[in-house]
Amino acid sequence: QSALTQPPSASGSPGQSVTISCTGTSSDIGRYNYVSWYQQHPGKAPKVMIYEVSKRPSGVPDRFSGSKSGSTASLTVSGLQVEDEAEYYCSSYAGSNTPVLFGGGTKLTVL
Amino acid sequence: QLQLQESGPGLVKPSETLSLTCLVSGGSITNGHYYWGWIRQPPGKGLEWIGSFYYTGTIDYNSSLKSRVTILEDSSNNQFSLKLNSVTAADTAVYYCARRTGISLEFDCWGQGALVTVSS
Repeated sequence: QSALTQPPSASGSPGQSVTISCTGTSSDIGRYNYVSWYQQHPGKAPKVMIYEVSKRPSGVPDRFSGSKSGSTASLTVSGLQVEDEAEYYCSSYAGSNTPVLFGGGTKLTVL
Repeated sequence: QLQLQESGPGLVKPSETLSLTCLVSGGSITNGHYYWGWIRQPPGKGLEWIGSFYYTGTIDYNSSLKSRVTILEDSSNNQFSLKLNSVTAADTAVYYCARRTGISLEFDCWGQGALVTVSS
């Protein structure tokens, strides 16, 4: 199964909003609501920011939100802050034969 | 507080076997609410899921690595291991161990990662 497709880069100014897309297929994102998003700063382990498409773990600011339409999931970061600059990865369940798929990652730059 | 810590050789020769261990503290790998697994990240590249197991013995592997990978559970020491054989330079990566929730399926806790370089 192919990886999920993300744009390689995204950017925005402090205070603005930015949306990162993650495109899959009818076999993964289109079929299951098990989409998660991870934030990774350089040299650090990934951190889950969104799970089950739109749920936020405790401690994640409500500036981060997730959604899904068809086979495309999206992560929106509102009120951008400098510390939001990081790499973001989406992930989806794709059935018992492929429990985990990752996207290629999107580098978010806060200008 | 749950913590995961990877350990193992940082340098492996081509064609040999990469071996890593993930020691879990602050929680049990036999907790039925979670899966446990390995993810890797080549330098400058994205994340790749390697495989996961459930304490009952169910193990899933990435189909692209399945012929070379073994994940073993050691519940008596609350740790699990990764073995990847016949390695090449393409297996050079930071290897993470992580916990995955059994219901919502996200990786909610990660180790700090261990860089393994494949080189002669």
